[in-house]
Amino acid sequence: NAGVMQNPRHLVRRRGQEARLRCSPMKGHSHVYWYRQLPEEGLKFMVYLQKENIIDESGMPKERFSAEFPKEGPSILRIQQVVRGDSAAYFCASSPGPWQNTEAFFGQGTRLTVV
Amino acid sequence: ELKVEQNPLFLSMQEGKNYTIYCNYSTTSDRLYWYRQDPGKSLESLFVLLSNGAVKQEGRLMASLDTKARLSTLHITAAVHDLSATYFCAVGRKQETDKLIFGTGTRLQVFP
Repeated sequence: NAGVMQNPRHLVRRRGQEARLRCSPMKGHSHVYWYRQLPEEGLKFMVYLQKENIIDESGMPKERFSAEFPKEGPSILRIQQVVRGDSAAYFCASSPGPWQNTEAFFGQGTRLTVV
Repeated sequence: ELKVEQNPLFLSMQEGKNYTIYCNYSTTSDRLYWYRQDPGKSLESLFVLLSNGAVKQEGRLMASLDTKARLSTLHITAAVHDLSATYFCAVGRKQETDKLIFGTGTRLQVFP
């Protein structure tokens, strides 16, 4: 049973380009959480998704950021028109049920660098 | 709004010494986690604490929870170099859906 898979591991984008980050949850997991970690800081919650539904997007910036978790395929975090301040490590975690009832496991992260 | 604070932010300690990392949170919570992160790596779950007075130990690390004081501690006994990492506490509560709110992290460096 593979762990939570994120790709790419490293992503370099020029200012104004789009960044697409993928998260394949563990087998049997239908809950996905995305977090952002700025250099030397803790993890900030961004969005919580179940299959085809956004449950909590209270941590998502209002513009340029979107997330989805389709019925088939990985969860995608999309950042349009990236800016230097978007440079960070983006982690996803997955769980089989609500985090309060089960353990959630983190992926290796995608390190986005905007140049 | 749930807020989580850790201290110290940085900790440099000698091998063999003991020390404690503190995690304070602002409102009642359902559960508290401790994670370890090595540079450039993902997060490894260390402990999950669910009730007042809970204490868990693994090797040289021991975590405890005091829900009345809204405080958790991570105690390090006889530190060794392999414990060098960043340690995060994270708190969850049903009213915050299921997301975890993370503390700022404590960067621990153990030197000979």
